[in-house]
Amino acid sequence: SQTIHQWPATLVQPVGSPLSLECTVEGTSNPNLYWYRQAAGRGLQLLFYSIGIDQISSEVPQNLSASRPQDRQFILSSKKLLLSDSGFYLCAWTNRETEAFFGQGTRLTVV
Amino acid sequence: AQSVTQLGSHVSVSEGALVLLRCNYSSSVPPYLFWYVQYPNQGLQLLLKYTTGATLVKGINGFEAEFKKSETSFHLTKPSAHMSDAAEYFCAVSRAAGNKLTFGGGTRVLVKP
Repeated sequence: SQTIHQWPATLVQPVGSPLSLECTVEGTSNPNLYWYRQAAGRGLQLLFYSIGIDQISSEVPQNLSASRPQDRQFILSSKKLLLSDSGFYLCAWTNRETEAFFGQGTRLTVV
Repeated sequence: AQSVTQLGSHVSVSEGALVLLRCNYSSSVPPYLFWYVQYPNQGLQLLLKYTTGATLVKGINGFEAEFKKSETSFHLTKPSAHMSDAAEYFCAVSRAAGNKLTFGGGTRVLVKP
């Protein structure tokens, strides 16, 4: 069966520090991969999606970037965090025939 | 472009009462529609989905939703609320299976004993 792993679960980082969140999927190949952000009291905003290795689309201009170095690995990064980057980050995957499956999320607090 | 509107960011229901969460969408193509549930500090879990076929869709935990094309709606219902239904619920739309999802703002459900 397919599983999705996302880590870390929680993270507290100072303003100006770098960020790296990792997501991996098991049990499927060539998935579509997604990064969403959920700010406090708000819905889910799609940040990035990827249909293949090194194929990344950005939905909104921001302080973040994404990379997909391997088929089932999706990384969310920042060189210098801002306070406004705080939120709950969710990774998800689909295989073009199903609904999206989500990881457990990373709670990022920028202080 | 697609969009989803969930009416009511917070809903309070008594245990045993009907749960009704409203979702309206806009889409230029026949939509794929989803309801997800999120418990605190967790990811999203699929409740149910509509792709094609029968417009009344049954999901997990006793929830169901009806796709009404004429009303561009996909409201979620459960006949009798349980304390474990307290969570946040998201309606979402996509253009096709496996495509990126556009989410509504979410509705937080509080269940009173």
